[in-house]
Amino acid sequence: GEEVAQTPKHLVRGEGQKAKLYCAPIKGHSYVFWYQQVLKNEFKFLISFQNENVFDETGMPKERFSAKCLPNSPCSLEIQATKLEDSAVYFCASSRRGYGATNEKLFFGSGTQLSVL
Amino acid sequence: EDQVTQSPEALRLQEGESSSLNCSYTVSGLRGLFWYRQDPGKGPEFLFTLYSAGEEKEKERLKATLTKKESFLHITAPKPEDSATYLCAVQARGSQGNLIFGKGTKLSVKP
Repeated sequence: GEEVAQTPKHLVRGEGQKAKLYCAPIKGHSYVFWYQQVLKNEFKFLISFQNENVFDETGMPKERFSAKCLPNSPCSLEIQATKLEDSAVYFCASSRRGYGATNEKLFFGSGTQLSVL
Repeated sequence: EDQVTQSPEALRLQEGESSSLNCSYTVSGLRGLFWYRQDPGKGPEFLFTLYSAGEEKEKERLKATLTKKESFLHITAPKPEDSATYLCAVQARGSQGNLIFGKGTKLSVKP
């Protein structure tokens, strides 16, 4: 596809429940990034993939967050035992080339709004 | 620590009233500075990438410039459809490619 597709658009979970978010990158893009946007405009980098391999996970909370990008499947971000502070919009972005390539802009999806009650 | 600060937080303009948005950055070696536009309920939409001091890029009513410490997004004769949040982000040389975002400037253009 020509745009990054994220599902679901909205997700409501009770504290302690599991949340799973999905992202289909643009066809032909090898790099996928996950960002968390809290308090309206504060973006926090979580993790990136080069195809199905983790490229950079320096932003991932070690305990409850995990992510995968498997061949022929949407990428996923899973939060075990959600907490109130996990409430945020989670954006996925993809790029054709990664770090080291010139002009490698990111294309963002519309995000998943996660509300933890 | 790599950091991006945008000002003002919010800007209200009349249609046709030109202005500039500021993005100050401190980074351990700049690989690129990016400007994005974000509409409510949407993801950021790419506008420009700047790589070195002195570089300028233009697109319709927008012009982005870069110095060694800051970038400006100049908006000439804005229209109501330019209303959005404008985000600045940097990519550091030592990073694996991820972007460090500022908090954005929310621009409102009244007819």
